[in-house]
Amino acid sequence: EDKVVQSPLSLVVHEGDTVTLNCSYEVTNFRSLLWYKQEKKAPTFLFMLTSSGIEKKSGRLSSILDKKELFSILNITATQTGDSAIYLCAGIIQGAQKLVFGQGTRLTINP
Amino acid sequence: EPEVTQTPSHQVTQMGQEVILRCVPISNHLYFYWYRQILGQKVEFLVSFYNNEISEKSEIFDDQFSVERPDGSNFTLKIRSTKLEDSAMYFCASSLGAFFGQGTRLTVV
Repeated sequence: EDKVVQSPLSLVVHEGDTVTLNCSYEVTNFRSLLWYKQEKKAPTFLFMLTSSGIEKKSGRLSSILDKKELFSILNITATQTGDSAIYLCAGIIQGAQKLVFGQGTRLTINP
Repeated sequence: EPEVTQTPSHQVTQMGQEVILRCVPISNHLYFYWYRQILGQKVEFLVSFYNNEISEKSEIFDDQFSVERPDGSNFTLKIRSTKLEDSAMYFCASSLGAFFGQGTRLTVV
């Protein structure tokens, strides 16, 4: 069964800290991995990672994929209270039209 | 920026009633999806739809569920006879998850 596991499930840090969120996957015929930020309702797309070892960056957020060890990390530097959200990762299966989601990491940034 | 639009944002229905959740996907996208998220749980795939046909569906998507694209723009999810355990957020998506709608919160009482 295809599985995506995120850790930690919950994280509380102070504003300005750097955080690393983890996502490991066991997905048959893995194609890509996506990261999302979920605040109140819909997941908002952050990154799609297909190639191993290539960092993707957007402002204070960055992410990288390791296809040998089957995991990805999402880094957020200089965190702000607006970064508080649930961060989701999801795997895409080659040839399939669906995402397999992890359970999410609830990130809380305290001022 | 293009967006996926869902209506209603919240629907309350009695157990056993039929509900139709509506989505207007981004117009030039070809694949559409429904996902659901029960409160506190992970987002789960329900069904993908391409060229007016179901492309793939999960075990959750049983005979109580159906999807259609009645008029070339709207994309609907129908639950024929709702159960308490159908209470969840239902998300429509396109482009393999690059775009999610804001969701419909379905509450079955």
